[in-house]
Amino acid sequence: DGGITQSPKYLFRKEGQNVTLSCEQNLNHDAMYWYRQDPGQGLRLIYYSQIVNDFQKGDIAEGYSVSREKKESFPLTVTSAQKNPTAFYLCASSMAGVGANVLTFGAGSRLTVL
Amino acid sequence: KQEVTQIPAALSVPEGENLVLNCSFTDSAIYNLQWFRQDPGKGLTSLLLIQSSQREQTSGRLNASLDKSSGRSTLYIAASQPGDSATYLCAVKVNPSLDQFYFGTGTSLTVIP
Repeated sequence: DGGITQSPKYLFRKEGQNVTLSCEQNLNHDAMYWYRQDPGQGLRLIYYSQIVNDFQKGDIAEGYSVSREKKESFPLTVTSAQKNPTAFYLCASSMAGVGANVLTFGAGSRLTVL
Repeated sequence: KQEVTQIPAALSVPEGENLVLNCSFTDSAIYNLQWFRQDPGKGLTSLLLIQSSQREQTSGRLNASLDKSSGRSTLYIAASQPGDSATYLCAVKVNPSLDQFYFGTGTSLTVIP
């Protein structure tokens, strides 16, 4: 079945550590996204990528980094520079550019900083 | 910048009731609007997508309408069931060639048996 796989589902990190969240899709989608979700707030865009080897910052990119070396993979690194990293992280994908652009989401990764 | 608002933040209804969820956006120049469902601790599932040229979309007991000029969309759920309990979010896309979506904060729906 086609879909998006995020791992790990739960992650605990000590302050000062970098962590990487995995996102893999087998939908042949061009565009991929990372969102952060906090209680009482809407989804906020961290980074997005429309093609391989290219990505753009979203509204809250500070303290995060991404790569897009393969079409199916878009890992997110939460660096020690991110001041408040405890949150629920959602990866999504869609066909890029002009078109219907239905967003497909993964099941999410919950990061807790101890 | 596009602002998307969903009111109320939470809603409880008895089973069987018809209900309407609201989504407002500040800039009427949108390309499309999507409604999503999110179960606790899970990702989002797309329910309906309405293109800017459309007025409504239907899927089963769900009907989504779009009024661009007034900056509003509604999601109508007929004959609600306890399984409909979830958070419902709307998102708008403003630029057809730029893959950015703006999300509302969601409405948490509880359907009481």
